[in-house]
Amino acid sequence: GQQVMQIPQYQHVQEGEDFTTYCNSSTTLSNIQWYKQRPGGHPVFLIQLVKSGEVKKQKRLTFQFGEAKKNSSLHITATQTTDVGTYFCAYSGAGSYQLTFGKGTKLSVIP
Amino acid sequence: GAGVSQSPSNKVTEKGKDVELRCDPISGHTALYWYRQRLGQGLEFLIYFQGNSAPDKSGLPSDRFSAERTGESVSTLTIQRTQQEDSAVYLCASSLVQGKAFFGQGTRLTVV
Repeated sequence: GQQVMQIPQYQHVQEGEDFTTYCNSSTTLSNIQWYKQRPGGHPVFLIQLVKSGEVKKQKRLTFQFGEAKKNSSLHITATQTTDVGTYFCAYSGAGSYQLTFGKGTKLSVIP
Repeated sequence: GAGVSQSPSNKVTEKGKDVELRCDPISGHTALYWYRQRLGQGLEFLIYFQGNSAPDKSGLPSDRFSAERTGESVSTLTIQRTQQEDSAVYLCASSLVQGKAFFGQGTRLTVV
């Protein structure tokens, strides 16, 4: 079935450096969502993108949905220790609520 | 309630016993999901309910796993004859609109 590949699986950055995680699909996605899971916590919804080429920003976080709607990225500018966690992309099929997650990118921030 | 509530938060059970995990979704949310997350791993889809439609059970790993939902309310996930490989955090989520799922804190199941 349809799957998304997240890269990298792990990322270690020095505090203040930028971070980007990518979510790639072999088929067109109707939407993409991003979630953050802090260590020991549960996934928390960050954002949903639905339009081709869409870009959304939340403070230091920038989310993009590719023109072909087959890939997405999450970019964090000037990471902070509070950004530590695992970032998951997820998608639901057209007209469906079923939600499928990527395997996530685990971010470590070195103070 | 204000958020998705799961109980118990922790459950230790002996191999071979049955367990029931409960999820109270956010009031009015028509969609409800169960996921399994093993230590350090991603979210494994188990089952999802949407309104009065037949549930999508395609992610249930074996016939030892089953789930029910009463209308658009509480859901229970039952694991029969538990095995050690069932040890994981079981996460429930609910949503009102497509996407934007709200997760509970999870039930950490340990089978000894």
